[in-house]
Amino acid sequence: NAGVTQTPKFQVLKTGQSMTLQCAQDMNHNSMYWYRQDPGMGLRLIYYSASEGTTDKGEVPNGYNVSRLNKREFSLRLESAAPSQTSVYFCASSENLGGYRGQETQYFGPGTRLLVL
Amino acid sequence: GDSVTQMEGPVTLSEEAFLTINCTYTATGYPSLFWYVQYPGEGLQLLLKATKADDKGSNKGFEATYRKETTSFHLEKGSVQVSDSAVYFCALRVTWAAGNKLTFGGGTRVLVKP
Repeated sequence: NAGVTQTPKFQVLKTGQSMTLQCAQDMNHNSMYWYRQDPGMGLRLIYYSASEGTTDKGEVPNGYNVSRLNKREFSLRLESAAPSQTSVYFCASSENLGGYRGQETQYFGPGTRLLVL
Repeated sequence: GDSVTQMEGPVTLSEEAFLTINCTYTATGYPSLFWYVQYPGEGLQLLLKATKADDKGSNKGFEATYRKETTSFHLEKGSVQVSDSAVYFCALRVTWAAGNKLTFGGGTRVLVKP
């Protein structure tokens, strides 16, 4: 099992450019998440998908869109990149055990480092 | 809202020293508590977790006890190694929260010197 994979590993964009960050998991998990990591602020949730076909906003959704393409894949799109979106982006997944929410482990990908000039 | 506060780093230790990283939380429901570790250049990995008050999570020599009375989940290890150098994140998830969203602390960087 590869677990959670993310592409690309590193990307440089100019202000106003667009790009899509890809994420895939092979653990048959129902839920997937996108976080951004900024120094001293931990990880903040951008969007999440509790199950295939659903997406919801997290703490910092502005400037981003997501697509849950199928059960395996969850992409994050920046339509018009801004320097404030310079960050490390992590995708994660979890099984989502319904009544046992809160006890599940989230599994993280290796991250995408994005620099917006 | 829910929040997690953990001690700022960096924490610099010598090998075999005792490590404590403080973590306190506020939550509106009944949270599960987690410690994640991030090694250089990698994503986060679950280190340990506790799902109810007085539970003790442990893994790789690390321990943390869920203290409801002090709303704390401090991470400890009795004898650190150079390989424990990493960033440690405390996190919580309220059990009823839709989407199983995690709330993270700011992270504590630990550097262990030989």
